[in-house]
Amino acid sequence: KQEVTQIPAALSVPEGENLVLNCSFTDSAIYNLQWFRQDPGKGLTSLLLIQSSQREQTSGRLNASLDKSSGRSTLYIAASQPGDSATYLCAPYSGTYKYIFGTGTRLKVLA
Amino acid sequence: GAGVSQSPSNKVTEKGKDVELRCDPISGHTALYWYRQSLGQGLEFLIYFQGNSAPDKSGLPSDRFSAERTGGSVSTLTIQRTQQEDSAVYLCASGQGQVYGYTFGSGTRLTVV
Repeated sequence: KQEVTQIPAALSVPEGENLVLNCSFTDSAIYNLQWFRQDPGKGLTSLLLIQSSQREQTSGRLNASLDKSSGRSTLYIAASQPGDSATYLCAPYSGTYKYIFGTGTRLKVLA
Repeated sequence: GAGVSQSPSNKVTEKGKDVELRCDPISGHTALYWYRQSLGQGLEFLIYFQGNSAPDKSGLPSDRFSAERTGGSVSTLTIQRTQQEDSAVYLCASGQGQVYGYTFGSGTRLTVV
């Protein structure tokens, strides 16, 4: 059974810092892994999708890496901004029809 | 449509009443998923559809919960005899194959009073 852990659970930083959010998962036999952002009271917005054959994906100030064999992914946020404040969720896909979600990292970027 | 659409966005209902939540997936997406997120909790998988069939209903919490999908498109999640513990945000997502990931709707916030 896939279990997903995200560390830290919460993070508060001043604007401009570079951040690393960590995700670990127990079943490394995944097809892909998706990082999502969730704003309070809202649905989830997909940020990056990494296929199992890839090592990383980049979108603007975001970079996600995947080390499938060790069951780890990291989301790197460069030059953080107050608008980045949200909960970040990682979700590996093992082919059992569904993504399993971590409990997220709640990020607050202070102006 | 351009995105996954869920309705209503908010629903307040009295305990014991039935509710229906609707999801319109992205056109052409064959896979559709329902998740639930209780206050301060993670996402809980409820059910998965491939076309109109539901290969995985393992997450439905009780027999008060049911879901259907018609025409390979719209899905309805029905909760009968609602209880206060059913209060949560119900999220729908659709996808087109495992390569492409999910797209989520904005959710329906259900409050049972």
